[in-house]
Order: sequence, then structure tokens, then C-alpha cells
Amino acid sequence: DSGVTQTPKHLITATGQRVTLRCSPRSGDLSVYWYQQSLDQGLQFLIHYYNGEERAKGNILERFSAQQFPDLHSELNLSSLELGDSALYFCASSSRLPGSVDTQYFGPGTRLTVL
Amino acid sequence: AQSVTQLDSQVPVFEEAPVELRCNYSSSVSVYLFWYVQYPNQGLQLLLKYLSGSTLVESINGFEAEFNKSQTSFHLRKPSVHISDTAEYFCAVSPSGGSYIPTFGRGTSLIVHP
Repeated sequence: DSGVTQTPKHLITATGQRVTLRCSPRSGDLSVYWYQQSLDQGLQFLIHYYNGEERAKGNILERFSAQQFPDLHSELNLSSLELGDSALYFCASSSRLPGSVDTQYFGPGTRLTVL
Repeated sequence: AQSVTQLDSQVPVFEEAPVELRCNYSSSVSVYLFWYVQYPNQGLQLLLKYLSGSTLVESINGFEAEFNKSQTSFHLRKPSVHISDTAEYFCAVSPSGGSYIPTFGRGTSLIVHP
């Protein structure tokens, strides 16, 4: 158990809908990272938040957005869903400052299925 | 921009045999290099990383990887594998300095047979 929790574990929805994925980092970790893992695209880094502020962006679509709240949990919002958004979405957390490469601890993931 | 190529999508091997998982990268800037392992139905775990210094890095469970700048490679090796090493292995690179923005390879499935 990494100490990172993600909810829900599974999510099934329809095209055009909007969903919110939630991540609680390990106690004390200030950094949260989001990743997408799909058969088509492989594993991709989406976005990094540190203590409530966005610090780095990867291959995140404009239909997707994220935020980190004062209690340090994070949410990834996916809107206007398409079939190709079906994937495993992972959250990871670490304790160190941005720019320093610290070990990230991954959550178990949320499996999103878009029908 | 960076890219990572993992040359083998699947590597079958017998228990106690040695294994090498290959990773080549391309980058116009200096990079940090990583290997992650993903066991079935789990998230990724960092196996080892190269940031600077000695080009040979080791993990606590017997894996090692060597950074070869001239060949732009970061191959992962283990002299004797166990059944429990069966997993998906991902190589990743990130620009050194600045923000951590990793680019992952497509993964290599290591299958250890008894």
C-alpha cells in the first residue's frame, strides 16, 4: 500500500459526459502528479501540482483540467468524454519541491470506461 | 522533446536466468533516467534512477542499470530472476533541471517461467 488513495476504482460513463477523479496523497506529501495509461498512447504524464499550484503540464487535453485543494487532495476533471479517453488514470505523490526528483508513490488508479 | 524506445515488448525467461531489458532514448537536452515496475493491477513503483555521478545504478532487489551516454541507452539487468519479478517494466526520461516532466517508453513485459 503506497498510501495514495484514488476514488472511484472504476467508472463507466457515456460519450459527452463529464467525470471527476479524486486523489488523496500520502500524508505530508505536497506534490501530486496525474498520469494516463491507455493501450493506444501508453503511459503519459498529464500534470503536476505542488501545494495547490500547477507546476508542470504534459500531454493534457484542453477538455481535461485538474486542481489541488488546500487539504492537498487533487481532482482531475474530464469533460466532453470520447471513447479514446478510456484508460487507467493514476495519481502519484511526493514530498519534495518541484525541480527535485524525488520518489513518487503511485495510487492504485481509476479505470475509466467511456461507452 | 524526448522519446524513449523499449525495444522488446515482451521478454520471456526462465527462473534464475539472467535478463536484460533494453531502453534507448533520444533527447536534445541532458536527461534524468528512470526504470519503473508495474505489477498486475497496481500502480507504478520506482525501481531505480540515474541523475548524475556513477553511471551504474542499483536497486534494492538486485536490478541494475547502466547509463551509456554515447549509445543513449539505459538498459536494465538482473543476473538471476525470480518468479516474483514477473511484471511490466517502464523506462522513462525527464529533462534534467527544472520541472519533472517524464516521457515513458511503451513498456516491456517480463515473464518469468518456472
